[in-house]
Amino acid sequence: QSALTQPASVSGSPGQSITISCTGTSSDVGSYNVVSWYQQHPGKVPKLIIYGGSKRPSGVSNRFSGSKSGNTASLTISGLQAEDEADYYCFSYAGAGTFVLFGGGTKLTVL
Amino acid sequence: EVQLVESGGGLVQPGRSLRLSCAASGFTFDDYAMHWVRQAPGRGLEWVSGISWNSVNIGYVDSVKGRFTISRDNAKNSLYLQMNNLRAEDTALYYCAKDMWGELTATKDYWGQGTLVTVSS
Repeated sequence: QSALTQPASVSGSPGQSITISCTGTSSDVGSYNVVSWYQQHPGKVPKLIIYGGSKRPSGVSNRFSGSKSGNTASLTISGLQAEDEADYYCFSYAGAGTFVLFGGGTKLTVL
Repeated sequence: EVQLVESGGGLVQPGRSLRLSCAASGFTFDDYAMHWVRQAPGRGLEWVSGISWNSVNIGYVDSVKGRFTISRDNAKNSLYLQMNNLRAEDTALYYCAKDMWGELTATKDYWGQGTLVTVSS
């Protein structure tokens, strides 16, 4: 049921911007603006960084932004920093019955 | 301060059962949906199950349907996961997570530290 597709890995140099995609279908990502993104450092608890597709929880850097186009949601990290190196996961509401879909995760490497 | 404390994990043989609990504090528990999310060693996050604030809406990932049952006791500020007929592939760290809303939205703003379940003979 890992029905959302994320790239396995992305990389970027400090100061650059990177984008991680999260592709679903017209029944989930395309229908609802309820995609959330999580950052997880090794051995740590996941942290919510984007919700509602593009909203940032209090305390999350404005270097993190979210967007959506069609059936694909995206997480953009600008001004890459070494501390951004982590795994990133997307989750989406998928309607009554299925409720939640998730991506397989993307490993971000800061070169 | 929101706190979610999981318990009940351990080593269990294939085919046996285990019941996980999550004690919640620091927020009005019965206002929010709750989730269980697991992570197998070296693997990604996997949503396991979720329950709305009033237990009306409940969902499961396909791989646990018919084996796992989620429930909550709002009077005790507690979330549970009854896991039956456990398999080796259920081995994982199980996180309890709070939804931002009363209904299931897949938006988890607080997470516990997790409880480890190991299924092995």
